[in-house]
Amino acid sequence: QVQLVQSGAEVKKPGNSVKISCKASGYTFTRYYIHWVRQAPGQGLEWMGIINPSGGTTSYAQKFQGRVTMTGDTSTSTVFMELSSLRSDDTAVYYCLSGSTSLYYFDYWGQGTLVTVSS
Amino acid sequence: DIQMTQSPSSVSASVGDRVTITCRASQGISSWLAWYQQKPGKAPNLLIYAASGLQNGVPSRFSGSGSGTDFTLTISSLQPEDFATYYCQQANSFPLTFGGGTKVEIK
Repeated sequence: QVQLVQSGAEVKKPGNSVKISCKASGYTFTRYYIHWVRQAPGQGLEWMGIINPSGGTTSYAQKFQGRVTMTGDTSTSTVFMELSSLRSDDTAVYYCLSGSTSLYYFDYWGQGTLVTVSS
Repeated sequence: DIQMTQSPSSVSASVGDRVTITCRASQGISSWLAWYQQKPGKAPNLLIYAASGLQNGVPSRFSGSGSGTDFTLTISSLQPEDFATYYCQQANSFPLTFGGGTKVEIK
């Protein structure tokens, strides 16, 4: 079965960077695009961007342009999301997700990675 | 960016009730809309895609309707496992955007 397994929780100081991994299994890695979405505590969902694991092309939400980098490693079926210049309002659960039948509807989600930004 | 506005932000209901949640897009999105259910501490779960398509494995008491700017998620007979927060998401254009959520609580 399709699984997206994310790396563990992180605690970072303001100004630092965080890099989260999302390992895919149960399907051909290059078949589905991977998106990243975050959710601040008690808040809604915010789309950050998308990566095509086949070729590595990306598209980022303008809000994160210049601070986010999404990459993929086909040898390990893993995608990465790095967010730099962290601020306290970047504290959130970060999810990787994908759609099996559509680029834009998400039936596969990682378990989430909590990133806490605190001095 | 397309803004998605859900209402109500919360609703109190009893088991067996019919519950309706609405989602309005700031511009027309045809039928490019999904609905998700999220329980505390868990990732969201896809319920409805393309405004009215029922995702595999989702109970038939869930249904979606609408097109253009106005959409509805209906739970025909609320079950105990349905108490959760529901989000709409537009899939018309980047950046993808979500509604603010509707929390369905026990009355």
